[in-house]
Amino acid sequence: ETGVTQSPTHLIKTRGQQVTLRCSSQSGHNTVSWYQQALGQGPQFIFQYYREEENGRGNFPPRFSGLQFPNYSSELNVNALELDDSALYLCASSPVRRGGRDTQYFGPGTRLTVL
Amino acid sequence: DAKTTQPPSMDCAEGRAANLPCNHSTISGNEYVYWYRQIHSQGPQYIIHGLKNNETNEMASLIITEDRKSSTLILPHATLRDTAVYYCIVRVANAGGTSYGKLTFGQGTILTVHP
Repeated sequence: ETGVTQSPTHLIKTRGQQVTLRCSSQSGHNTVSWYQQALGQGPQFIFQYYREEENGRGNFPPRFSGLQFPNYSSELNVNALELDDSALYLCASSPVRRGGRDTQYFGPGTRLTVL
Repeated sequence: DAKTTQPPSMDCAEGRAANLPCNHSTISGNEYVYWYRQIHSQGPQYIIHGLKNNETNEMASLIITEDRKSSTLILPHATLRDTAVYYCIVRVANAGGTSYGKLTFGQGTILTVHP
């Protein structure tokens, strides 16, 4: 069983640029969630995608957007990068089971540095 | 989701049991207790979850008090590789078709296992 994978592992951008991060969900999982983890903090929920639609969003501005594809993989796009966007970006996938109990499994993350 | 309180740090000797406490006094009847851990700069790793009964898997045991206001994660024989930040999270697991994506991470407990 293949786990959650993310690419790239590291990325350096400058302020004002745009970035796309990618996530492949674990086999059999149809829901993807994205989190931002600043240095020394716990992960913060950005949004979740289910059936190719956004299904819940945290306190992040619209310049954070996403996509989910028919194969359940996902992209996180961030426009107009700011220095505070420097963080570890985590993707988590989960199955949808009848009755819930949808445990999320995380990928290794993408380290984004904004200069 | 209910708020959780964990000690900021704990130490444990290698080979001994590590008992990590978590308070969640405002937990609701339909909220589960989840535990994740994060080893330095990696993605969070799912450990275990439970509703009201004690749970055990190959990684750990979860003891939930009868009033559900607190729980303890037990690593029965801690090794150096168990050194990590441990997060206790309370969340609703829905009873429908779509999943609630949001995991609310606090600061967690930094567990250091000593030789």
